[in-house]
Amino acid sequence: DAKTTQPNSMESNEEEPVHLPCNHSTISGTDYIHWYRQLPSQGPEYVIHGLTSNVNNRMASLAIAEDRKSSTLILHRATLRDAAVYYCIHWRAGNMLTFGGGTRLMVKP
Amino acid sequence: DARVTQTPRDKVTEMGQEVTMRCQPILGHNTVFWYRQTMMQGLELLAYFRNRAPLDDSGMPKDRFSAEMPDATLATLKIQPSEPRDSAVYFCASGFFSSAQDTQYFGPGTRLTVL
Repeated sequence: DAKTTQPNSMESNEEEPVHLPCNHSTISGTDYIHWYRQLPSQGPEYVIHGLTSNVNNRMASLAIAEDRKSSTLILHRATLRDAAVYYCIHWRAGNMLTFGGGTRLMVKP
Repeated sequence: DARVTQTPRDKVTEMGQEVTMRCQPILGHNTVFWYRQTMMQGLELLAYFRNRAPLDDSGMPKDRFSAEMPDATLATLKIQPSEPRDSAVYFCASGFFSSAQDTQYFGPGTRLTVL
């Protein structure tokens, strides 16, 4: 099973950066690291993914440790709309996405 | 913006009744997934299809659940007979799923309450 470990919850102030950590010590060389988030009353949505190098897109940045056993999702300026449950997943083609408990991010105005 | 659509959005039914949930995947996507989400179990994969063929339904209670894709634009999840423990939000997702870089696009879900 592709297991990840994330804190149950985190809190941030609006317009401050947020660093969401994830441990994936069982990751193998061909596994990609994906992050999804689930806003209240919605289905999960894709945020970002990467293999080894750090990645940036319009939503977030993904920093991957050199040994790939951990990663950090970075929201550069949290807004109230970023309050969601964030899921970190590692998987390879042919396997299924296994969602863990995720981190509930609360953003304070 | 192409989206996955699901109907109904909310369903309240009585124990023993048949429930059918429908999903329209994004046009062109060849893989469709059904998930169930509860507070206790989180998000669980029930079944998935590729090119309309069922590939894995090991997450699904076989005696009462069935999933089908009658055509490329429609996936259905049926529960017969429904039980109170089936109360959950059911999500459909679609994607290409040919490499580990592919992403899944989720629908808004069907909230099922079985009384």
